[in-house]
Amino acid sequence: SQQGEEDPQALSIQEGENATMNCSYKTSINNLQWYRQNSGRGLVHLILIRSNEREKHSGRLRVTLDTSKKSSSLLITASRAADTASYFCATLGGGADGLTFGKGTHLIIQP
Amino acid sequence: DAGVIQSPRHEVTEMGQEVTLRCKPISGHDYLFWYRQTMMRGLELLIYFNNNVPIDDSGMPEDRFSAKMPNASFSTLKIQPSEPRDSAVYFCASSFGQVGGYTFGSGTRLTVV
Repeated sequence: SQQGEEDPQALSIQEGENATMNCSYKTSINNLQWYRQNSGRGLVHLILIRSNEREKHSGRLRVTLDTSKKSSSLLITASRAADTASYFCATLGGGADGLTFGKGTHLIIQP
Repeated sequence: DAGVIQSPRHEVTEMGQEVTLRCKPISGHDYLFWYRQTMMRGLELLIYFNNNVPIDDSGMPEDRFSAKMPNASFSTLKIQPSEPRDSAVYFCASSFGQVGGYTFGSGTRLTVV
């Protein structure tokens, strides 16, 4: 069953703008992770945020986590054409039984 | 390390045939996961192993699906007999420890006609 739900399902912005994607989930988590998938390729791990963390940065990526609202956001700053991909949030539950993925946000960066 | 290696990249087979998908995880990783991705259902966890032992196969859709991990460097996912609704992209992923990030292979695109 799907744990995370990303919003929006699709997002198209101009190169240089910031892109924000949101993820909501239903049950308690150990951690939440974001992955990128380019068309026809496997998923690539971007960033992991633990349940006791509120914000994390990695390069142009900023992730926030609000466990009271069971939600997370991924911000990509100064977007580039190469950022065009699908982005997935994935949650690891307290039982740590394998990541559960949402259906993803398809991000298109217009040059 | 070459990453997680899956073979074949594409497989087209006729309904009723046996299909075997293969995966070589990253050396030193102790967890291996099999996922299936479809447009309708997204990414679904089928089964995962820890130190070559199957831990949770509750995601395996039917008895037609089976998975093995005979050693730390090789795993197979078998579908017998295959059906058109099994058409999907099958991913293998591995990790060191259970709570970290996963490294995914490039996937096997299976088409059952």
